[in-house]
Amino acid sequence: EIVLTQSPATLSLSPGERATLSCRASQSISTYLGWYQQKPGQAPRLLIYDASNRATGIPARFSGSGSGTDFTLIISSLEPEDFALYFCQERSSWPHITFGQGTRLE
Amino acid sequence: QLRLQESGPGLVKPSETLSLICTVSGGSINHRSYYWGWMRQSPGSGLEWIGNILYTGRTDSQSSLWNRVTISIDTSKNQFSLKLNSVTAADTAVYYCVRIWRYLEDWGPGALVTVSS
Repeated sequence: EIVLTQSPATLSLSPGERATLSCRASQSISTYLGWYQQKPGQAPRLLIYDASNRATGIPARFSGSGSGTDFTLIISSLEPEDFALYFCQERSSWPHITFGQGTRLE
Repeated sequence: QLRLQESGPGLVKPSETLSLICTVSGGSINHRSYYWGWMRQSPGSGLEWIGNILYTGRTDSQSSLWNRVTISIDTSKNQFSLKLNSVTAADTAVYYCVRIWRYLEDWGPGALVTVSS
């Protein structure tokens, strides 16, 4: 079973700063990784798929990179609405799905 | 635009069966490329995959839940459903239904289900 480990658990930054979130897989998952944003009281929203592709309607300040076991989500310049919970998710063992435990951006 | 909506009891007694329905609107559930899934999120915790179903009725589920989970699909009603039996307080969570095409593309708003006597 693949385990996804996200770091840090909490990231404290200010608007305008750059955010770097990490997701590490316990074994290689190629580029089968997605990133999701979840705001309080809302369902998660897909941001990035296949490690580096922005989903429809996602602003260009969000970017993803990585392959194999190490992945990064970067928010280039934080907007007030970006402070939320972020999850990574792998689909290399499809149809089984695994999530990371999340990074809270505050 | 595709929309998903969970419905079902918000309170279930321990040892009983949790039952939820997801109604899909704005598109057909009978689509060969889409899976339909259930996820849950316990209070203050991360996301957990429960299981998926294809329009053919093929299902896959989390190994730790497989003996308690039943996922079914009704293409005539554009709905799919989740049953989780023998629930305990640990099953208290927000349950989400999701459309899956490569990734979890569309989500319902979520339904809070509390297990308590």
